[in-house]
Amino acid sequence: KQEVTQIPAALSVPEGENLVLNCSFTDSAIYNLQWFRQDPGKGLTSLLLIQSSQREQTSGRLNASLDKSSGRSTLYIAASQPGDSATYLCAASYSGGGADGLTFGKGTHLIIQP
Amino acid sequence: DGGITQSPKYLFRKEGQNVTLSCEQNLNHDAMYWYRQDPGQGLRLIYYSQIVNDFQKGDIAEGYSVSREKKESFPLTVTSAQKNPTAFYLCASSRRLAGINNEQFFGPGTRLTVL
Repeated sequence: KQEVTQIPAALSVPEGENLVLNCSFTDSAIYNLQWFRQDPGKGLTSLLLIQSSQREQTSGRLNASLDKSSGRSTLYIAASQPGDSATYLCAASYSGGGADGLTFGKGTHLIIQP
Repeated sequence: DGGITQSPKYLFRKEGQNVTLSCEQNLNHDAMYWYRQDPGQGLRLIYYSQIVNDFQKGDIAEGYSVSREKKESFPLTVTSAQKNPTAFYLCASSRRLAGINNEQFFGPGTRLTVL
């Protein structure tokens, strides 16, 4: 069974720090990996998508990496701000280019202290 | 504005009743999805549809039904057979092209509570 795991479940850091969120997956036959942000009571906002052929993607202060051989992805947030406080979810697609569903981790709840 | 809309935002249901959750997208996406989110369990796939008039069961389809009569619409019915329907329901969509990123985009969600 394909599983996605996120550690830690919760993280609290002072404003301005750089931080790394971790995501691991059990099956290296991954098609792509997507990082999302979720604010309380809201839907998911897509942050970054990394294809299996890519090593990393960047968007502003966010950088996501993918290492298929070790089954790991990381989301790096530079110069954290209180507005970054949210739950961050990673999700893997195992389809071969079709449009099957995603397998989600349980998320990391991030709090940035002002 | 292009995007995904879900209605209603909050829904209350009595035990034994069927309810239908609406999902509409104007992104011209072929594929649509329904997920359920419970505290501490993450998102789980209920049903997905890659094209009009076709849909597939996900990991937790029991007690749910869907239809896909139009490209832009993918309603989810929660039937009385669903034993624990109280949850946050999220609809998503993506393009469906082989070899292309299938980035999924999500709606704002519907919170269903069974009284």
